[in-house]
Parts: sequence; structure tokens; C-alpha cells
Amino acid sequence: QQKVQQSPESLTVSEGAMASLNCTFSDGTSNNFRWYRQHSAKGLEVLVSIFSDGEKEEGRFTAHLNRANLHVSLHIREPQPSDSAVYLCAVGDTGNYKYVFGAGTRLKVIA
Amino acid sequence: EAAVTQSPRNKVAVTGGKVTLSCNQTNNHNNMYWYRQDTGHGLRLIHYSYGAGSTEKGDIPDGYKASRPSQENFSLILELATPSQTSVYFCASGEPGQYEQYFGPGTRLTVL
Repeated sequence: QQKVQQSPESLTVSEGAMASLNCTFSDGTSNNFRWYRQHSAKGLEVLVSIFSDGEKEEGRFTAHLNRANLHVSLHIREPQPSDSAVYLCAVGDTGNYKYVFGAGTRLKVIA
Repeated sequence: EAAVTQSPRNKVAVTGGKVTLSCNQTNNHNNMYWYRQDTGHGLRLIHYSYGAGSTEKGDIPDGYKASRPSQENFSLILELATPSQTSVYFCASGEPGQYEQYFGPGTRLTVL
């Protein structure tokens, strides 16, 4: 079964600086990757979905996927204090249309 | 946008008691899912369903039952709640053959 790990566990960045979050997975055959944002144990908000190697941008959020390296990252351009939240990486488990989630990265953006 | 609601939003239960968490979706999705979220583990799949009358075990089904009486409703049942089941529970819905899932707001369950 797909295994997903996120790093770092927590990250503090200054407002306006780039924030970079990492996610590694165990099975490179998946073609469905998603980053979610979660504010204080509320529901999950989809930020960006990526289905092939390369880059996908959605506003200030950019995902980079490299399946050969079993790695997908999320970069947040010009982060704001309102971006302070837990960010979850989800990897599609090939063949059964279920996601496997990482444990999350807690991001804090300070003014 | 898919609408998934959960009730209750907060619940305190006693050890050994029965707890039922409810989920309702209004977009006629066939698939529904129950996850729990704990610090250090992310979201883990407990049970899921492909449609009314069907329930399937997820990755951590022990201690939980599920019921899907209709297309719209999917319940998670803890027959004998234990403190280890203290968690935040999320329901989601989606279409077969698609990864897209729409999540509810979550239920915070505390078992004393």
C-alpha cells in the first residue's frame, strides 16, 4: 500500500518569504496527487491537484511532481498570516481510487 | 460545489457507550468515506461505501461499524467506545472512478 511522509513537521516563515513543503511516497505508479489546507481542525480545502511530472500552479500555490524521485512539493509564494494552517499531502492509491494522506506540515506565517 | 454535512460537530461520550456519527451529502455521489485524523497520522480511512446498502472496510476498521441506509446518508457507529477512539472524524463523498473527494467539516469526539 502507498506510504506517504511529509516534511518538515512544522515550519515558520516570515510574511512574503517563500514556503516550501515536501512529500515523499512509496509507489511511483500513482498519477493523482493533491495538496489540502486545513485551518484548525476544520474541513479540508483543496489547493492544487497534479497528475503528471512537472509543475502545476494555482494562484500563489505551486506543486512540483517528480515520480522518479517519489517526491511532490508545494511552494507558497508570498505567504500571509492567513495561510497559517496544516497542509496535507494526499496520494492516490493506484487502482482503488482512495487517497493515502501524509501526517501534515503545520505552517506558521509571522508578520 | 458538493455539500457534505456532519452531525454532531462535537461529542463527549463515556467509555463503553454507543456513539453514532452521521454524515449527509446532497450531490448524489455514490461513494462515501469515513476518516479519522490524529496528530502524527494524518487522515486514515475507516470505512467506505459504494452506494446504498454497501459498506467496505478501510485501513483501520477495528472497533467501528458503518451503515449506508440511503444514497445521502452514511453513519459511523462505535458500539463500545474507548478512549483510543478520541479523534476528529471526517466524512467525504465522491464519484466512482474519480479521486475527487468532498469533505465535511469534521466531528470532534472525546471518549472519557
